[in-house]
Amino acid sequence: GAGVSQSPRYKVAKRGQDVALRCDPISGHVSLFWYQQALGQGPEFLTYFQNEAQLDKSGLPSDRFFAERPEGSVSTLKIQRTQQEDSAVYLCASSLSEYQPQHFGDGTRLSIL
Amino acid sequence: GENVEQHPSTLSVQEGDSAVIKCTYSDSASNYFPWYKQELGKRPQLIIDIRSNVGEKKDQRIAVTLNKTAKHFSLHITETQPEDSAVYFCAASRAGGYQKVTFGTGTKLQVIP
Repeated sequence: GAGVSQSPRYKVAKRGQDVALRCDPISGHVSLFWYQQALGQGPEFLTYFQNEAQLDKSGLPSDRFFAERPEGSVSTLKIQRTQQEDSAVYLCASSLSEYQPQHFGDGTRLSIL
Repeated sequence: GENVEQHPSTLSVQEGDSAVIKCTYSDSASNYFPWYKQELGKRPQLIIDIRSNVGEKKDQRIAVTLNKTAKHFSLHITETQPEDSAVYFCAASRAGGYQKVTFGTGTKLQVIP
């Protein structure tokens, strides 16, 4: 596609439920990043993939957060047993290589009730 | 880790005036500094970036300056237009390895017609 695509755009879940957020990067982009953006704040790094390898997951807030990119293209961010503090916009970005600028998707706005 | 501070948090200018947003970073190893524009509910879009081997870069009405010694970098927008109204984020990263990007907290720019 022409850009990074994320789905769903909006997700409402009850506290304690599990959610899965999807990212389709730009075709051919090797690097993929997940960010969490709280209201009124800048994006904060969660995790990074180079192809299918998760090279850095130091930004994941807890072991309830899990990300995968099994075939080196589409990535899924999963949050288990959601809490209210997980409410945020989750942004995905991809880049052609680790030395190229990142291109962002529109994000998934997650609201935990 | 890297820490990026951004000022001001809000900025109002009259159409046609200039706007300046300033950022500081803490990690002297950072060498790549992108700027993103984010409209309400939209994805962050890269508007300009600068690498540490360059002191200034200009693209039409937008310019960025970098002072490596002081660890300061700034965004300058001249002849502002209403469509420049958005939140602007500065960011810093080490371009080697991969671009784990640390964002500032954002500046909400309002251009008054």
